[in-house]
Amino acid sequence: DGGITQSPKYLFRKEGQNVTLSCEQNLNHDAMYWYRQDPGQGLRLIYYSQIVNDFQKGDIAEGYSVSREKKESFPLTVTSAQKNPTAFYLCASSGDRGKYQPQHFGDGTRLSIL
Amino acid sequence: ILNVEQSPQSLHVQEGDSTNFTCSFPSSNFYALHWYRWETAKSPEALFVMTLNGDEKKKGRISATLNTKEGYSYLYIKGSQPEDSATYLCASLTLMEYGNKLVFGAGTILRVKS
Repeated sequence: DGGITQSPKYLFRKEGQNVTLSCEQNLNHDAMYWYRQDPGQGLRLIYYSQIVNDFQKGDIAEGYSVSREKKESFPLTVTSAQKNPTAFYLCASSGDRGKYQPQHFGDGTRLSIL
Repeated sequence: ILNVEQSPQSLHVQEGDSTNFTCSFPSSNFYALHWYRWETAKSPEALFVMTLNGDEKKKGRISATLNTKEGYSYLYIKGSQPEDSATYLCASLTLMEYGNKLVFGAGTILRVKS
C-alpha cells in the first residue's frame, strides 16, 4: 500500500541534543511538508519541499533543519536551538502542490523533553 | 500569515443528529480550500478539495459548500454516527513564490454519543 511512514512514534530529547524525525513516502509525490501541532492550535508549517534538493522555510522554521536528497525522504532535525520542541510533528506529501489534490499525512511523531 | 478560523471549537451531538461547522478564511488571493477528518490515533484523512465559488461536494453523509467571495465554507454531517467522532480541519491554500502552502484552522472536535 502506498503511504507515508513516520518514525519513531515517540521521541525524547535531552537538553542540548539534536534529534531527527524520519519521513518516507512511496506515493511518488514531488512535494513534502513538515507540520507542528500544539494543543489548541492548527497545524503550523515548519518546512516544505517542492522538489528534490530544494526546500523552503515555512512559518516556524527557527530551530529546525531539513534535507531532501531523495524524492522519497524528507527528514526533520530538531536542533538544540529549538527551545520549545515538545509537540506533535506531522509529515505530509502531495502530488500536485495542493491545488487539486489533498495532502497525505503520516501518523506523526510525538517529541518530548527529558 | 493569513488566519483561518473554525467554529465551533467543539461539538457534542446525539447519534442521528445532523450538524454543521464553519471555516472562515481571507477571501483575497483565494486558491483552494481543503477539509480533513482526523480521528484519534490516526493520520488526517482528506475529505474535500474545493476551488470554485459555489462549489458543493458530497461524500456519503458528509457534504461541504464554498463561498470564496465572503470567505467561508460549511461542512455538514447528516445523521451523525459515533464513527464520525473526530477533529475536522479546514485549510486554505496560499500561493507562494516557491510552491504552495496550506494554512490550517485549529479544528472542530466532534463527539457523537450513541
